[in-house]
Amino acid sequence: DIQMTQSPASLSASLGETVTIQCRASEDIYSGLAWYQQKPGKSPQLLIYGASSLQDGVPSRFSGSGSGTQYSLKISSMQTEDEGVYFCQQGLKYPYTFGAGTKLELK
Amino acid sequence: EVKLQQSGDELVRPGASVKMSCKASGYTFTDYAMHWVKQSPGQGLEWIGTIIPLIDTTSYNQKFKGKATLTADKSSNTAYMELSRLTSEDSAVYYCAREGSWYFDYWGQGVMVTVSS
Repeated sequence: DIQMTQSPASLSASLGETVTIQCRASEDIYSGLAWYQQKPGKSPQLLIYGASSLQDGVPSRFSGSGSGTQYSLKISSMQTEDEGVYFCQQGLKYPYTFGAGTKLELK
Repeated sequence: EVKLQQSGDELVRPGASVKMSCKASGYTFTDYAMHWVKQSPGQGLEWIGTIIPLIDTTSYNQKFKGKATLTADKSSNTAYMELSRLTSEDSAVYYCAREGSWYFDYWGQGVMVTVSS
């Protein structure tokens, strides 16, 4: 199985601050990576697919980049509503696997 | 509007089985694979498996083979997952999610399964 390692496990950011979350795959996943945001008591919501494509309706302050085994999610200006847990997911091969999550809080 | 409406939360006895549903609306059910994902309390996400409703083909995470059975009813646009021989390790929230080409673009609201005597 492809292992997905996310970092950091948690972080806090001030309003307007730039936030970056990392995700490393145990093998090349050829940009087959998605990012999700999950808020307490809610289901995950797709933010980014194909490593860098923004899902419809997602604010443009979210962006994704990376290739090979290394990927990142950037929030260019932290907002209150961005608090939550962020997961990466590889879709190259079954079983699809997720990172353990990064908890983002407002400082 | 695409919507995945899951059945209600379940309280089940150890050793029993549970079957949950995921009713799709707002799109052509047979055009997309449906996946199931487990989220244990305070934990991350685990992929259980998928079904392609058009041809009733399934693929499972090896970890969930023998535990989960996925089916779909094209006449009612509903996907099902049955979990068998339940233990406390199966207590979790279970999501159905539509595949938008190897990622999940729509998710159900989740079913919380509690296994307790």
